Amino acid sequence: QSALTQPRSVSGSPGQSVTISCTGTSSDVGRYDYVSWYQQHPGKAPKLMIYTVTKRPSGVPDRFSGSKSGHTASLTISGLQSEDEADYYCCSYTGTYTVFGTGTKVTVL
Amino acid sequence: QVQLVESGGGVVQPGRSLRLSCAASGFIFSSYGMHWVRQAPGKGLEWVAVISYDGSNKYYADSVKGRFTISRDNSKNTLYLQMNSLRPDDTAVYYCVKELLTAFDYWGQGTLVAVSS
Repeated sequence: QSALTQPRSVSGSPGQSVTISCTGTSSDVGRYDYVSWYQQHPGKAPKLMIYTVTKRPSGVPDRFSGSKSGHTASLTISGLQSEDEADYYCCSYTGTYTVFGTGTKVTVL
Repeated sequence: QVQLVESGGGVVQPGRSLRLSCAASGFIFSSYGMHWVRQAPGKGLEWVAVISYDGSNKYYADSVKGRFTISRDNSKNTLYLQMNSLRPDDTAVYYCVKELLTAFDYWGQGTLVAVSS
């Protein structure tokens, strides 16, 4: 049950786009289209941003998009806004259990 | 609206036990799988355990297997986590989470468990 690998941090200026990668293995990200992404602001519970690789829950801005290629999933934030500054975690189903990514801090410059 | 309210956290000595509860409302509790996810202070998210909608299937993270037990009472719309043989590295905020297609669409506010002598 090893954590998925994410970059420790990414940054961008307002209006720019940033992409967060999430690398797993053939047992998780590479095997199932059950990758989700979560946004967490300090002191708050995580919030679902993307599920089943590409779907956005109601209320999540379309600036957030997800994709997957092979063993790597990605979250792209387009038109970066100050409120997007937060920690982001990917997550994958593995058949019986669930594994999270190591987390990425997004900084808006 | 969906609400998940955890309770039962607190300070406990190593080796002791604690039971967390999660009261659910605003959705048909008996139709959904439920999970516990934890977050140690300053650290990332760690999945802990899952229970199927009817309680027939349960899976655990290796770090808690044999020590923690997840259960549910659909008549009371309540999820539980029995934690035995607690260790200092179990110190974390524990979140009760509702499942949607293997994702986690609703989270409780979390309850802090601190294991310390």
